[in-house]
Amino acid sequence: DAMVIQNPRSQVTQFGKPVTLSCSQTLNHNVIYWYQQKSSQAPKLLFHYYDKDFNNEADTPDNFQSRRPNTSFCFLDIRSPGLGDAAMYLCATSRVAGGDYNEQFFGPGTRLTVL
Amino acid sequence: GQNIDQPTEMTATEGAIVQINCTYQTSGFNGLFWYQQHAGEAPTFLSYNVLDGLEEKGRFSSFLSRSKGYSYLLLKELQMKDSASYLCAVLDSNYQLIWGAGTKLIIKP
Repeated sequence: DAMVIQNPRSQVTQFGKPVTLSCSQTLNHNVIYWYQQKSSQAPKLLFHYYDKDFNNEADTPDNFQSRRPNTSFCFLDIRSPGLGDAAMYLCATSRVAGGDYNEQFFGPGTRLTVL
Repeated sequence: GQNIDQPTEMTATEGAIVQINCTYQTSGFNGLFWYQQHAGEAPTFLSYNVLDGLEEKGRFSSFLSRSKGYSYLLLKELQMKDSASYLCAVLDSNYQLIWGAGTKLIIKP
């Protein structure tokens, strides 16, 4: 089945220690999104790629970086995690960024704990 | 600013019907989505409305009124597995998804 895969499902890191979260997709979608979601809150868009074009949200801290080496894979790098970065990180894909139907398909998420 | 409002929490009884409302104020409108999210899991797609009216899909239906900036999700014949958060999200003029904080639905036997 075509899907969005995130690894690991759960990640524990230490305050200030860099961490990388990964996302892969077999849907061959153009657009990949990274969201941060804290408990009982809406998903917060960090950035997205339309193919190789990177689009950063204005309020995304510099601490968060991303790489998309090819269509299938995308990485979220947190350079110096703080306690406030503990959250669920969701990767999602969609076929196009615009158009008349923009359903986003989500991976299972990676829960990040910062000690 | 852009805003999506939905109740924080609702409680309903197994076998009953529940309606979850969503009101929105966004810069432009290119459709409204409802997603279901079980605790600790990723959101899964439920419905998409871009024209006014009711879309029915099995036990779930979604309604949209663009003039009122209003949508609702109707769940019939509630089952215990329907206990989850339900998120309303609007696609704005830049085709960005603006998310509500979600409504936590608690189903009681």
